[in-house]
Amino acid sequence: QKEVEQDPGPLSVPEGAIVSLNCTYSNSAFQYFMWYRQYSRKGPELLMYTYSSGNKEDGRFTAQVDKSSKYISLFIRDSQPSDSATYLCAMNSGGYQKVTFGTGTKLQVIP
Amino acid sequence: GAVVSQHPSRVICKSGTSVKIECRSLDFQATTMFWYRQFPKQSLMLMATSNEGSKATYEQGVEKDKFLINHASLTLSTLTVTSAHPEDSSFYICSARPASQGGYEQYFGPGTRLTVT
Repeated sequence: QKEVEQDPGPLSVPEGAIVSLNCTYSNSAFQYFMWYRQYSRKGPELLMYTYSSGNKEDGRFTAQVDKSSKYISLFIRDSQPSDSATYLCAMNSGGYQKVTFGTGTKLQVIP
Repeated sequence: GAVVSQHPSRVICKSGTSVKIECRSLDFQATTMFWYRQFPKQSLMLMATSNEGSKATYEQGVEKDKFLINHASLTLSTLTVTSAHPEDSSFYICSARPASQGGYEQYFGPGTRLTVT
């Protein structure tokens, strides 16, 4: 079993839809949770990070962490074609510990 | 802010030759830099962690004599793929952790596409 599981997709949605991206994990020591966006042939870009459980909102993006279920989500409201990319979840136990990445979910927003 | 560059962006080399990839943090100092490898439809695979002025720490299964990492300054790390083989063809991405940030935050370079013929 992988430490972090993420559905690779692809996920296709119409423009304006609400997108839900999810990851599950098995390591209960994880405390920091990140979401990265990666465009084709580019390096990942940090979108959001959350410490421990709870919600965090930034514009059209909302990150949720449920540590009791070992489940994290990223919601994208009013999705745009420019949101089409691969989204990777990432997490670590804090401090300077190694970051573990999910495989990424490829999202396509259709105009 | 927090820009990381990589050079070259893509390189084609012949089997048996060596290739050097540079990773620079342009507007911050990075005490730690990471080198990843990414295969199509797979996650980032951490190859090694390098701290300025000390030897890199390699992940299990990564040959340190094949993938030479040098972190000579707070803004520059290099990865040299020695005696490259076609199976080394991949997308190599570096990231840098700012000296002033907590352990989770790292900024990625744009990646280098290596093709070994």
